[in-house]
Amino acid sequence: TQLLEQSPQFLSIQEGENLTVYCNSSSVFSSLQWYRQEPGEGPVLLVTVVTGGEVKKLKRLTFQFGDARKDSSLHITAAQPGDTGLYLCAGGGGNNRKLIWGLGTSLAVNP
Amino acid sequence: DTAVSQTPKYLVTQMGNDKSIKCEQNLGHDTMYWYKQDSKKFLKIMFSYNNKELIINETVPNRFSPKSPDKAHLNLHINSLELGDSAVYFCASSQDRPGGRMTGNTIYFGEGSWLTVV
Repeated sequence: TQLLEQSPQFLSIQEGENLTVYCNSSSVFSSLQWYRQEPGEGPVLLVTVVTGGEVKKLKRLTFQFGDARKDSSLHITAAQPGDTGLYLCAGGGGNNRKLIWGLGTSLAVNP
Repeated sequence: DTAVSQTPKYLVTQMGNDKSIKCEQNLGHDTMYWYKQDSKKFLKIMFSYNNKELIINETVPNRFSPKSPDKAHLNLHINSLELGDSAVYFCASSQDRPGGRMTGNTIYFGEGSWLTVV
């Protein structure tokens, strides 16, 4: 069974701090996506990484796909209250054709 | 224009009732989904349709029945509602089918339907 584990599960930090969220699996994925879900809304795609070792930047957010395509990280620099939300990773290309979802990291950035 | 819209947004109903949630997407996508998000925020796929054909049917009680009259619509009907059905139900769509050749197939979610069974 393919699983994606995210850590930490909960994170509460002050505005301006840096943080890293991890998404790990023992399975290889052909792609890894990160979504952010704000309260009362559906998840929205932030980025897709497809190549082992790939790094993508989205303003203050840096995403990395592990060399073996089994894990990924999301680093946020100088977090702002607007970054508050649930961050979900999802692995694609599984052998059962489904997108495999992590359990999410709930981030709260306090002003 | 809302890409994926679902109604109602909030639904409070009694145990044993039957209810439906409607979903429409105007993105021209071929694939639509129903997801359930529980109180712990875990997002679990329930069903997926591609061009009106059911392609993913997870272990969901048969009280849940999806219906896709055309590829832009995917409705969810729930019979004999139980307390444990309380959750947020998300409709979603994507251009490609799961596991298709398109790498990194983006899933577009609706705003969710908050179902509370009392």
